[in-house]
Amino acid sequence: RKEVEQDPGPFNVPEGATVAFNCTYSNSASQSFFWYRQDCRKEPKLLMSVYSSGNEDGRFTAQLNRASQYISLLIRDSKLSDSATYLCVVNLPGSARQLTFGSGTQLTVLP
Amino acid sequence: NAGVTQTPKFRILKIGQSMTLQCTQDMNHNYMYWYRQDPGMGLKLIYYSVGAGITDKGEVPNGYNVSRSTTEDFPLRLELAAPSQTSVYFCASSYTNPGELFFGEGSRLTVL
Repeated sequence: RKEVEQDPGPFNVPEGATVAFNCTYSNSASQSFFWYRQDCRKEPKLLMSVYSSGNEDGRFTAQLNRASQYISLLIRDSKLSDSATYLCVVNLPGSARQLTFGSGTQLTVLP
Repeated sequence: NAGVTQTPKFRILKIGQSMTLQCTQDMNHNYMYWYRQDPGMGLKLIYYSVGAGITDKGEVPNGYNVSRSTTEDFPLRLELAAPSQTSVYFCASSYTNPGELFFGEGSRLTVL
């Protein structure tokens, strides 16, 4: 089992739709969780951190389910500009080398 | 604000050649990282550094070397390039660990 698994997609959704991605992680000791966004042929950029209580930033909501070992990202009212690859990142405590990236979920928002 | 600057952006190498990817950050971050990203794959950590003079191996260090003589610079050296090293290389830095990673624009390397 991969340490961090994501559905690669692609997810093709119309503008205005709501879309959700899940990311599962294998190590129950994982403590920090993030979603990064990567545009085509660009560098990844932090979208949001994922807190135990869940967090929201505008149209984006991130949640953590420790019991089932997954995090989720919900995008409401999708915009064309949301088209990108969304990377799930999980960090184990104690070492920088334990920052593990998922392979990403590709989202295309269609007009 | 420059952030993290990588050079070169593109490079083609022949098998057996060597080269250095340069990485500089102007945010006074202690933590710096080198990742590689192959098509359809997640980023894999090559080497990282927690401060000047300290480096350590990541998940895929074979065929690479790094140095960290200053807080700002973290060059990645490829010795005896192989086709398997064809990839996009990203340098990143962070103020804390874990913390937000700030990435450079990437260096696309092709080994033929």
